[in-house]
Amino acid sequence: NAGVTQTPKFRVLKTGQSMTLLCAQDMNHEYMYWYRQDPGMGLRLIHYSVGEGTTAKGEVPDGYNVSRLKKQNFLLGLESAAPSQTSVYFCASNPREGPGYTFGSGTRLTVV
Amino acid sequence: GENVEQHPSTLSVQEGDSAVIKCTYSDSASNYFPWYKQELGKGPQLIIDIRSNVGEKKDQRIAVTLNKTAKHFSLHITETQPEDSAVYFCAARGGSYIPTFGRGTSLIVHP
Repeated sequence: NAGVTQTPKFRVLKTGQSMTLLCAQDMNHEYMYWYRQDPGMGLRLIHYSVGEGTTAKGEVPDGYNVSRLKKQNFLLGLESAAPSQTSVYFCASNPREGPGYTFGSGTRLTVV
Repeated sequence: GENVEQHPSTLSVQEGDSAVIKCTYSDSASNYFPWYKQELGKGPQLIIDIRSNVGEKKDQRIAVTLNKTAKHFSLHITETQPEDSAVYFCAARGGSYIPTFGRGTSLIVHP
């Protein structure tokens, strides 16, 4: 049981490049989330999904897109990376009912 | 929407002392309050949680208390050890099942 797996763990992008971060969970959780974590700002919600084929905007969605084509996967895309998107990105998931909010180990992204 | 305030942002204690981190929430519909510990370079890990029908929960050296009337909950760590040094996050979750997090407390335990 791997829980929540994020790939890649580290990435350096040049301004304007695009990339996709992958989150995979094997707990059959309905809800999945993408957060960014910056010093002093805590965890800020970018986008989330309450089920396969659904997505919704969180607190800081601009510059990001997401897709949830399969229940176990939640993809975060950056179409044209900017230095302001330098951050640590965390994926999380939880079941519709009950506790069990689980985080991945994070992706450290640097945009130069 | 829900708003969660967490204090202090930094807490420095001597090994063996107790540490208390406090959070307040705004939405009276919130009914689940987890606490997470994040060690350097890792994702947050759930360490203890409490539901709104319980006033206190304890697990070895950590405990959480909840005051629904005042809308605040606290994390208590007794007999702190250097390995307790980490960033701690509180969260509140209601009917939407989407938690709102506090901004985190950096706990430093000096040997």
